[in-house]
Amino acid sequence: GQQVMQIPQYQHVQEGEDFTTYCNSSTTLSNIQWYKQRPGGHPVFLIQLVKSGEVKKQKRLTFQFGEAKKNSSLHITATQTTDVGTYFCAGTDSNYQLIWGAGTKLIIKP
Amino acid sequence: GAVVSQHPSRVICKSGTSVKIECRSLDFQATTMFWYRQFPKQSLMLMATSNEGSKATYEQGVEKDKFLINHASLTLSTLTVTSAHPEDSSFYICSARGQNNQPQHFGDGTRLSIL
Repeated sequence: GQQVMQIPQYQHVQEGEDFTTYCNSSTTLSNIQWYKQRPGGHPVFLIQLVKSGEVKKQKRLTFQFGEAKKNSSLHITATQTTDVGTYFCAGTDSNYQLIWGAGTKLIIKP
Repeated sequence: GAVVSQHPSRVICKSGTSVKIECRSLDFQATTMFWYRQFPKQSLMLMATSNEGSKATYEQGVEKDKFLINHASLTLSTLTVTSAHPEDSSFYICSARGQNNQPQHFGDGTRLSIL
């Protein structure tokens, strides 16, 4: 079946370093959404990308959607302790089903 | 932004008890609601998808007689874990979506502990 692979599973960074998580789909997606889940909390919607090659920014976060609409990335510049959590991508297929990546846990080293 | 309310936030009960969890969209009409289960340090696992007025669609391996889902209105869905056992202990999260292609908005989750 359709899958969205997300890597890495974990990333440890020093505060101030950059962080990137990548998602790759086996099929073309209608759109891709990104969510953040803080420890003990629920996923919170961050952004949705729809167009091929789209790039969107939210302060230190940069989201990209590939030209083929099969891959996406989230890049955080100069991480802060408030960025800690698990970042999930979720792709919408042609049947409007959401296919979730496994998530990347961002851990900030003190 | 869109608000989804989920209750209760935490349940501790004895084995054999049935537990009902409510999920409400407070400021939008939720055409579709989703129920997820999440084990510690793992990703979300979709259990079922429900559309208002229709029977829920369950994912493979999820027992529909065990996890009863009702989506009677555009703002309310319920999940009932029937005759719960310790292995049903988990974090259950609902989400709601307006139209297709719109993002999902999540409730705060329900931490279920079966003794």
